[in-house]
Amino acid sequence: DAMVIQNPRYQVTQFGKPVTLSCSQTLNHNVMYWYQQKSSQAPKLLFHYYDKDFNNEADTPDNFQSRRPNTSFCFLDIRSPGLGDAAMYLCATSRAGQLKDQPQHFGDGTRLSIL
Amino acid sequence: AQTVTQSQPEMSVQEAETVTLSCTYDTSENNYYLFWYKQPPSRQMILVIRQEAYKQQNATENRFSVNFQKAAKSFSLKISDSQLGDTAMYFCAFMKPYEGNEKLTFGTGTRLTIIP
Repeated sequence: DAMVIQNPRYQVTQFGKPVTLSCSQTLNHNVMYWYQQKSSQAPKLLFHYYDKDFNNEADTPDNFQSRRPNTSFCFLDIRSPGLGDAAMYLCATSRAGQLKDQPQHFGDGTRLSIL
Repeated sequence: AQTVTQSQPEMSVQEAETVTLSCTYDTSENNYYLFWYKQPPSRQMILVIRQEAYKQQNATENRFSVNFQKAAKSFSLKISDSQLGDTAMYFCAFMKPYEGNEKLTFGTGTRLTIIP
């Protein structure tokens, strides 16, 4: 089935050690999103790609970067993780112009822990 | 900027009962879209129902329906004949329909537990 796949499901890293989370999709959607979700909080949009155009949210820390080498893959890089970055990270996709009619498709998420 | 407020952090109801989850939002836009998303424990977030602001008729999807009050900026979700599988976090979300910059603003969620 077409889907949004996030790897790994659980990631543990050390304080300050760079970490990369990955997301792939088979839906051929041209928009991909990264959200940070802390316990009992709303998903917070970090940034999104509209095709190759990167759109950063104003309050996303510089510590968070993203890459989208092709339509199918998108990566979230945390350059120097701090304890406050421990969270669930959700990847989502949509087709531009259709979000009002078609749902945003989410992956299962990657739970990041910082030691 | 838009804000979405869900004032009920947690709710629980007996199986087969009806439950209503509240959501209010703040916007100066006239045309927009509202959604309810469901996030079951350790599972993907999925869309439950959506509403277009310019449609007065309330959206329904099987056991799920909304009460959309545009003037009051209220968008509540009613779940009828609740089932154990309805146990999940429910997020209300808002979207402005600008192509290329379509983003969802989520509320803080309501944790719903259906009691057998």
